Amino acid sequence: GAVVSQHPSWVICKSGTSVKIECRSLDFQATTMFWYRQFPKQSLMLMATSNEGSKATYEQGVEKDKFLINHASLTLSTLTVTSAHPEDSSFYICSARPGQSIWISNQPQHFGDGTRLSIL
Amino acid sequence: AQSVTQLGSHVSVSEGALVLLRCNYSSSVPPYLFWYVQYPNQGLQLLLKYTTGATLVKGINGFEAEFKKSETSFHLTKPSAHMSDAAEYFCAVSHMIYNQGGKLIFGQGTELSVKP
Repeated sequence: GAVVSQHPSWVICKSGTSVKIECRSLDFQATTMFWYRQFPKQSLMLMATSNEGSKATYEQGVEKDKFLINHASLTLSTLTVTSAHPEDSSFYICSARPGQSIWISNQPQHFGDGTRLSIL
Repeated sequence: AQSVTQLGSHVSVSEGALVLLRCNYSSSVPPYLFWYVQYPNQGLQLLLKYTTGATLVKGINGFEAEFKKSETSFHLTKPSAHMSDAAEYFCAVSHMIYNQGGKLIFGQGTELSVKP
């Protein structure tokens, strides 16, 4: 149980292209999903917290207009990297926390397998 | 503010030897503590978690961790390392505060190598 599917797993595209990454919780509902970025040999950096039906909360230094997040249902959140440039190349990982209340923070986050984004 | 420190960015053990990965946390409120493992080019997999109750928690793949409040530690151990344990391990903390949304604060990670 608690499977999170992230798609696509690998994207290579030209500079200036917009890329959408999907994060789905397959067997549970998740009011809250999280988007992370990970550089090689480094820890995960939280980019934003996505709550179903409301605007995402972005971490300091993350450009809202660059990284668009939509959480339209209890099982799907999307991250769109707009007008991507080579410096946006990274490993992006989503996670979902079971439960329909943002109060349930003792539930562990379940992670997708990540998306490797390469911008040429 | 919360923080997590993992001592040692890289740990190397022999197959069959004890695995000990260290994690210390800082939190002004009772923490929830987690250990995750990451294999190359994959997401994170939950090994175990501590929320309340018994301070010694057992996880998957033979791992366990003990919450020691007095030492603000949550070290991960496994009695006998297996080659398949080679991976990156992350310790993380969160807490039950509404406006934090259950955010995880991760440590820097520890790469575990297992020698045959």
